[in-house]
Amino acid sequence: TQLLEQSPQFLSIQEGENLTVYCNSSSVFSSLQWYRQEPGEGPVLLVTVVTGGEVKKLKRLTFQFGDARKDSSLHITAAQPGDTGLYLCAGGGGGFKTIFGAGTRLFVKA
Amino acid sequence: GAVVSQHPSRVICKSGTSVKIECRSLDFQATTMFWYRQFPKKSLMLMATSNEGSKATYEQGVEKDKFLINHASLTLSTLTVTSAHPEDSSFYICSANVPLFTDTQYFGPGTRLTVL
Repeated sequence: TQLLEQSPQFLSIQEGENLTVYCNSSSVFSSLQWYRQEPGEGPVLLVTVVTGGEVKKLKRLTFQFGDARKDSSLHITAAQPGDTGLYLCAGGGGGFKTIFGAGTRLFVKA
Repeated sequence: GAVVSQHPSRVICKSGTSVKIECRSLDFQATTMFWYRQFPKKSLMLMATSNEGSKATYEQGVEKDKFLINHASLTLSTLTVTSAHPEDSSFYICSANVPLFTDTQYFGPGTRLTVL
């Protein structure tokens, strides 16, 4: 059974701080997605990474896919209150069902 | 990006009634759609995979007679919660794959179901 372990589960930080969220598995994924979800809304796709070692940037967010395509990280620089939300990683492809991490609930205080 | 809509966004119903939730892909055709349930402050729990023109595939522990799924066209899947009870109250979210990018799912905005 494929599992995606996401950490930390909860993070409360001050505006301006940096943070990193991790998504780890013992399985290889053909791609991995990161989503952000706000209360009462559906998850919104932030990025898809497909190549081992790939790094993608989205403004202050940096996403990295591990060389072996088993893990990924999301780094936020100078977090802002608008970054508050639930961050979900998801892995899929290769004939397997997409699976989701447990999520990281981020709260950025002004 | 691909747009998926859901209707209604909120529904309140009495115990014993049935509720239908619609999921539409607005700017692409989706041969496969997914239905999730999300409990407060938790991640997504896959309920079933909806395939256009064929029967849905349900996850273990999900009652197919209670959660009826119909995927009658390439842009519409419906989830009907039959004889709803308070324990069915939850946030239901659908998603769809974009053809040729089948690893990535695009989500609808979700439907909050409250059963009194």
